[in-house]
Amino acid sequence: KNQVEQSPQSLIILEGKNCTLQCNYTVSPFSNLRWYKQDTGRGPVSLTIMTFSENTKSNGRYTATLDADTKQSSLHITASQLSDSASYICVVSVSTGFQKLVFGTGTRLLVSP
Amino acid sequence: DAGVIQSPRHEVTEMGQEVTLRCKPISGHNSLFWYRQTMMRGLELLIYFNNNVPIDDSGMPEDRFSAKMPNASFSTLKIQPSEPRDSAVYFCASSLNQGTGELFFGEGSRLTVL
Repeated sequence: KNQVEQSPQSLIILEGKNCTLQCNYTVSPFSNLRWYKQDTGRGPVSLTIMTFSENTKSNGRYTATLDADTKQSSLHITASQLSDSASYICVVSVSTGFQKLVFGTGTRLLVSP
Repeated sequence: DAGVIQSPRHEVTEMGQEVTLRCKPISGHNSLFWYRQTMMRGLELLIYFNNNVPIDDSGMPEDRFSAKMPNASFSTLKIQPSEPRDSAVYFCASSLNQGTGELFFGEGSRLTVL
């Protein structure tokens, strides 16, 4: 069964600190892995898309890593800001003719002043 | 571009009533997706259209749900009759190339069925 699991479920950090969110997946056949940021009451917004051959990808203060052997990904947030408070959703794409997305349930991050 | 536009943003209705949610995808995108998001189950794909044709509707919960895409710039998701367990946020998303590229979400329609 295709599954995406994220940890932790929720996280509170102080402004300015770094944090790392984890994503484990069991998806086949793998096509790509995406991280989305979802602010409260808004739609998800894409942060990164990583293919099988990419190990690291950055988007400003966000850096995603992918280990296709262990089927793990992480999202590292550097020098957190209050605006980083959101849910972060890991999504893995299954290549089945069209790209079917398998969503994790997200990590809810609160950055405290 | 204005992005994916959904309406209404909020809908409160009584059990048994018909609900219609609307979506305008980004101009030029040929793929459109309807998702449902709940706290318990996260985001779930309901139906996927490519070039206005439904390709995968395996996520549609039951016959009470139906979706149409009469043209490239408009889609509807209808629930008839609605039930309290349908309460959720419904998202529409669009992309190029059958979803292989970036997926752009609308702001969602929050549905509450009393």
